[in-house]
This record gives sequence, structure tokens and C-alpha cells, in this order.
Amino acid sequence: GDQVEQSPSALSLHEGTSSALRCNFTTTTRSVQWFRQNSRGSLINLFYLASGTKENGRLKSAFDSKELYSTLHIRDAQLEDSGTYFCAAENSAGNKLTFGIGTRVLVRP
Amino acid sequence: EAAVTQSPRNKVTVTGGNVTLSCRQTNSHNYMYWYRQDTGHGLRLIHYSYGAGNLQIGDVPDGYKATRTTQEDFFLLLELASPSQTSLYFCASSDAPGAQDTQYFGPGTRLLVL
Repeated sequence: GDQVEQSPSALSLHEGTSSALRCNFTTTTRSVQWFRQNSRGSLINLFYLASGTKENGRLKSAFDSKELYSTLHIRDAQLEDSGTYFCAAENSAGNKLTFGIGTRVLVRP
Repeated sequence: EAAVTQSPRNKVTVTGGNVTLSCRQTNSHNYMYWYRQDTGHGLRLIHYSYGAGNLQIGDVPDGYKATRTTQEDFFLLLELASPSQTSLYFCASSDAPGAQDTQYFGPGTRLLVL
């Protein structure tokens, strides 16, 4: 959506390497959620952040509400990290999420 | 962890057809959502609900109705389906209002309108 700009649109990684995805917000955002969608279409929630950083295994996310961006770092990429990653921003009323159009990540051997 | 199920998983109908998509969550969440996913748009919110009998309009509601019959069950109705409604539909639920907590998604329903 217009409120959420994701980059890059696609990313190719070799196994064992690291990279970062980014979401920029055009309006005030109270929180951000990151999701991964696998090849079968299933959506899995990775992170919910209202501020600061969170880490889960090889994934780490940060949210800067003042600078209007969030990042998702993938460390030591594995084949199972392949998928489409979406970030979603909470609107000012706190009642809706607005999704970006996603980053397609392909991890290759 | 929240369990959200959707049925059917796949559906084909014709233009003008009547379609009902079902969603059930078994984690006692009050908040439920219907989204559609289309290439180039990400996920867009159609309708959402704060509880049984409650309905809120989302960002792309035209052509859709929804009903929340119980805390567990949320239905999306397409009474006169059109080809533009061909999409992947997701249901989600959360414990806290709107976007203030993690949303858990169902597996999705692929709808094709011929």
C-alpha cells in the first residue's frame, strides 16, 4: 500500500550469507509486524514490534517510529528462509494493518 | 498458538454466482479479519469484526458482505461474484484490537470467478 514501501522487491541470497529487508512508512506508524509467506501461500507472523529490536534465531527486526522505518535482517540464510516477506504497519487509530507489497527472497545453495 | 482454519481451500464459481467463505478460530480471540491478496497489492483489508454480531468496514469492502455469527466464526459473502474478485483470501484473528497485537492467519482460500 501507499503507506508502506518495501525494498528490495526481490532478493537472491546464497546459503550462509546475510542480508536486510526494509520498510519505509509514509505516515506515523505505531507498530509494525513482519510476516513470511511460503510457497504454499501460508502466512507466518515473524515479529510484532512497537519499538526497538527483537531477535528470533537468525532473524532480527528493528523499528524506528521516529525515522519511520523498520528492518528485517536474515543472518546465515538457509534454504527454508525462501519466501515472500511482508511488513505491515499499524495505523494511527490502531485498528488496522496496512501491508507492503512484499519482498521475494530466494535462498540458493 | 492461535488456530485459524478456512474453508473451502479452493473455489471456482461463475460471474454472478453466490459464494460464502468460512473462517473459524479456536483461540478465543475477539478480533477477526478478512483480507484479499493480489499481485502488486500485498494484502488488503476487506472487513473486520470486534466480536459476535459486530462488523467493521475495511479498505476494499465493495462487493463483499461479512457476518460474525459467533466469537469463533466469521464469514465472507460474495453475493454476485465478479472476475475482479478472483483472489487469494485470508482470514486472521488477534487477541487485542486491530493492529495492536500479533495477527494469526488461516491457510487461505483461492477463489476463481470465471
